[in-house]
Amino acid sequence: NAGVTQTPKFRILKIGQSMTLQCAQDMNHNYMYWYRQDPGMGLKLIYYSVGAGITDKGEVPNGYNVSRSTTEDFPLRLELAAPSQTSVYFCASSMTGDMNTEAFFGQGTRLTVV
Amino acid sequence: TQLLEQSPQFLSIQEGENLTVYCNSSSVFSSLQWYRQEPGEGPVLLVTVVTGGEVKKLKRLTFQFGDARKDSSLHITAAQPGDTGLYLCAGWYSGAGSYQLTFGKGTKLSVIP
Repeated sequence: NAGVTQTPKFRILKIGQSMTLQCAQDMNHNYMYWYRQDPGMGLKLIYYSVGAGITDKGEVPNGYNVSRSTTEDFPLRLELAAPSQTSVYFCASSMTGDMNTEAFFGQGTRLTVV
Repeated sequence: TQLLEQSPQFLSIQEGENLTVYCNSSSVFSSLQWYRQEPGEGPVLLVTVVTGGEVKKLKRLTFQFGDARKDSSLHITAAQPGDTGLYLCAGWYSGAGSYQLTFGKGTKLSVIP
């Protein structure tokens, strides 16, 4: 049971570098999300997708981009990394987007920008 | 963004004690969920409450949704070291034509043997 798989688990970037955080789910879920978690700040929604080819901004989208070419994959792109993007990033998916649905999370990617 | 305020932020108790964690908002939520997160892992759903006044029990954990659907509480009876973790309340709200899941800042619980 793979569920939601994120890679890499850890990464150190230099200021100005770019990288892509990978996320894949094998549950055939339509909805996928990217959150960031800073110490003491809970999880904040960066971007979400309601299906292949459809993405939308969440609460904190600046500095990030996403694409959703397949149901399974939802990569998050960081362009010109900044120290403020140091955080733990979580990808999640859900079968639907209604109020009773359960969100399934990956194990996270811990990113440090130096 | 609809805000969820959790209290307390940190809680350290002895094994066997009881505790209550609160989640409050000025907004009405369609439902509230409680997730538990262990270090190095993603959050895992514990329960979803949908109806105002609803009470759900999960072994030693009791969850309540406020009558006005603006608040929720989590009560743990006879806490055990295995209950240690970050407890997050989360609410689905309708935005831009679809539901989005927003989280509180969490309550970090430590249960000391």
